[in-house]
Amino acid sequence: EAGVAQSPRYKIIEKRQSVAFWCNPISGHATLYWYQQILGQGPKLLIQFQNNGVVDDSQLPKDRFSAERLKGVDSTLKIQPAKLEDSAVYLCASSSWGAGYTFGSGTRLTVV
Amino acid sequence: DQQVKQNSPSLSVQEGRISILNCDYTNSMFDYFLWYKKYPAEGPTFLISISSIKDKNEDGRFTVFLNKSAKHLSLHIVPSQPGDSAVYFCAASAPSNTGKLIFGQGTTLQVKP
Repeated sequence: EAGVAQSPRYKIIEKRQSVAFWCNPISGHATLYWYQQILGQGPKLLIQFQNNGVVDDSQLPKDRFSAERLKGVDSTLKIQPAKLEDSAVYLCASSSWGAGYTFGSGTRLTVV
Repeated sequence: DQQVKQNSPSLSVQEGRISILNCDYTNSMFDYFLWYKKYPAEGPTFLISISSIKDKNEDGRFTVFLNKSAKHLSLHIVPSQPGDSAVYFCAASAPSNTGKLIFGQGTTLQVKP
């Protein structure tokens, strides 16, 4: 079974620039999550999709972050404009009923 | 509001000895708890879990204990091996049961040969 694919692995941008991350979940997994992990902290949920609908985006900074999951498969997370405090690892995970989470390797974002 | 806390940022143990990682939570509505292991440049991988109806779950060298009255859980690794060196995250399932996980800050375990 292929895992959760994320790209890019690393990204360095200047503040106020925009950036996008891509996630391809495990085939058949209806639920997709984006987590933000700041250095020294645990992952924090940004947004959760069930198929292509949003279940929870209560901690997504909507003035600068956006996410979509077209056709209930791949997902993209965008930040525009980026701030220094957005430097973190962005983890995508997917799950299905009765199965646990599978995380991708993450995208490490550095905002300078 | 940190609902799940791991108060020890790091732990160092000798190979073959027991490693004990601790986790405290504040929300009594949490009903499922998990431990994840994370190596550098990789995503967290599931290690072991426990339901709130149990007080112990064992899987090979890994045992998780849950003390609901104290809102405390711990992960025991016996015997510890150098390959166990990683960051360990405690997580709790949110009461809404949407699948959302609340993570602690993590504990870095170093097992010395």
